[in-house]
Amino acid sequence: AQKVTQAQTEISVVEKEDVTLDCVYETRDTTYYLFWYKQPPSGELVFLIRRNSFDEQNEISGRYSWNFQKSTSSFNFTITASQVVDSAVYFCALSGNQGAQKLVFGQGTRLTINP
Amino acid sequence: DTGVSQDPRHKITKRGQNVTFRCDPISEHNRLYWYRQTLGQGPEFLTYFQNEAQLEKSRLLSDRFSAERPKGSFSTLEIQRTEQGDSAMYLCASSLGQGLTQYFGPGTRLLVL
Repeated sequence: AQKVTQAQTEISVVEKEDVTLDCVYETRDTTYYLFWYKQPPSGELVFLIRRNSFDEQNEISGRYSWNFQKSTSSFNFTITASQVVDSAVYFCALSGNQGAQKLVFGQGTRLTINP
Repeated sequence: DTGVSQDPRHKITKRGQNVTFRCDPISEHNRLYWYRQTLGQGPEFLTYFQNEAQLEKSRLLSDRFSAERPKGSFSTLEIQRTEQGDSAMYLCASSLGQGLTQYFGPGTRLLVL
């Protein structure tokens, strides 16, 4: 069975601080995909990044960066110089490579950036 | 491309009533998914369509739930004889094919009184 764990339920930081959201996953698949989604108060899930299991290169997109480590089954997300607009619930998700490829989500981390 | 749209955005109903939600995926996306999200939790998979065929259903999808995707375009999710435990956000997502990103709609928030 697949499982995603986001141990941090809530994080609160002051604007301009860096913050890292942790994600640990479990799967028996050799090929799989990892995702991060952002859910602002409006409720819509906004796609941020997709990573396949063969690509362990870290990725940077503006203030966002992702660290994928297969050895520790982790896919962590860092926001540099956080801004109030980054406040949201962030979900890490995993899908396999067969069948429906349904997403298995973690419980989410509620991030609050205080001015 | 316009994104995934869902209708209605909010629905309040009384226990025992039937409700139907609609999802319009991104055009040309052949895969369509329904998820349910309760307060403080991540979304949970309900069912999946590839074109018009419903290929997988979660055990969460009781007999009171039915989903269709006629002609492989929009999809409907119907809940019969609603219960208070059905109160949740119902999310629809679509993707272009295997291994590709699922894009989500704004969701339908259901409250059963």
